[in-house]
Amino acid sequence: QVQLVQSGSELKKPGASVKVSCKTSGYTFTNYFINWVRQAPGQGLEWMGNINTKTGTPKYVQGFTGRFVFSRDTSVSTAYLQIDSLKTDDTAVYYCAKEAPGAGPNPGDSWGQGTLVTVSS
Amino acid sequence: QSALTQPASVSGSPGQSITISCTGTRSDVGGYNYVCWCQQHPGKAPKLIIYDVSKRPSGVSNRFSGSKSGNTASLTISGLQADDEGDYYCISYAGPNTLIFGGGTKLTVL
Repeated sequence: QVQLVQSGSELKKPGASVKVSCKTSGYTFTNYFINWVRQAPGQGLEWMGNINTKTGTPKYVQGFTGRFVFSRDTSVSTAYLQIDSLKTDDTAVYYCAKEAPGAGPNPGDSWGQGTLVTVSS
Repeated sequence: QSALTQPASVSGSPGQSITISCTGTRSDVGGYNYVCWCQQHPGKAPKLIIYDVSKRPSGVSNRFSGSKSGNTASLTISGLQADDEGDYYCISYAGPNTLIFGGGTKLTVL
């Protein structure tokens, strides 16, 4: 079955970098985009953008440009989210999600379990 | 782009039906038949329950239904159950490779 397994929680200091992994299995990795979604503590879901897993082309929405990098490694069916120059406001749970097949644009029918990134001095 | 507008909270008793609205613009909800809904229980990852306005993924109960009129989409949950309690988010396509989320609605089952 389709699975997306994310890396574990991270505690980082302001100014540091973090790289979150999203390892997929159970389907052909390059057939579907991977979306990235942020959820700050007590807040709603926010679409950060996605990556075309076939071409590696990322799409970033406003507010997630510059310090955020989406990448993928097709040899291990894994997508990555790197955040540089971390700020305390980046403290959130980050989710990866595989877009649903046979549907119009969508956030995903299979989600990772989420990775909590805590930024604190 | 601003988030889609949802009521902060709705509530209902077991067995009743509730409807959650999601208001956007002609550039998102009103412009495309690509509205989705996700359910999120506390501490859990979201779950897709509606896509393409009114279609349900395999395994999702037919108590969940979606519709759209103009710039407003709606999610209706019939036969409310305790396990339906949680947060619900609408998501709309908003142009080339762009999604936009609603602010979320907290459903309380009384």
